Amino acid sequence: GAVVSQHPSWVICKSGTSVKIECRSLDFQATTMFWYRQFPKQSLMLMATSNEGSKATYEQGVEKDKFLINHASLTLSTLTVTSAHPEDSSFYICSAASPGQDYNEQFFGPGTRLTVL
Amino acid sequence: GQNIDQPTEMTATEGAIVQINCTYQTSGFNGLFWYQQHAGEAPTFLSYNVLDGLEEKGRFSSFLSRSKGYSYLLLKELQMKDSASYLCAPMDSNYQLIWGAGTKLIIKP
Repeated sequence: GAVVSQHPSWVICKSGTSVKIECRSLDFQATTMFWYRQFPKQSLMLMATSNEGSKATYEQGVEKDKFLINHASLTLSTLTVTSAHPEDSSFYICSAASPGQDYNEQFFGPGTRLTVL
Repeated sequence: GQNIDQPTEMTATEGAIVQINCTYQTSGFNGLFWYQQHAGEAPTFLSYNVLDGLEEKGRFSSFLSRSKGYSYLLLKELQMKDSASYLCAPMDSNYQLIWGAGTKLIIKP
């Protein structure tokens, strides 16, 4: 299957700072990338859907000014958590999809664990 | 609304067979995925069903009944490494995956 990487895999930051997470599709061009957040023992929550070259579509309740998403190329999307607070501590997972895939499968990155002190 | 219903937790014995059921309601339907997620890791793809019936892939099989909004994942010859959460995720008319909390499967020796 296709490979998606995320960087960093974990990050600890101070409250009030910003953190950028990168999501890369390594061996295919991803026209669409998805950003999820998962709190312990809870389901994946879709935060936003981003299409290359256009603005991301945010889910209800997700602050677009706090979670900045950029999908500047077919292989890279970034999520920036601005002015992070302890309640933003979570497991952030990206996935990538390409219309050329057989059944709209989303390929997941390994996730980024964010801890805000 | 859209929702997924799976058992929260199941326990099975190494070498046995377990069936994890899933019922769902979605706005439109473009297939159903099963993912495996180990603690602290991202989900990994197991299977995809879009037509009714059984799809077999090694030790894992997945079944779908669209009219009943029902799917199950069947795991055979259970191994300790199969201890994980199993996520049933139907895809709605917008090609978005709908996620439930998953089923935590505990394998005992």
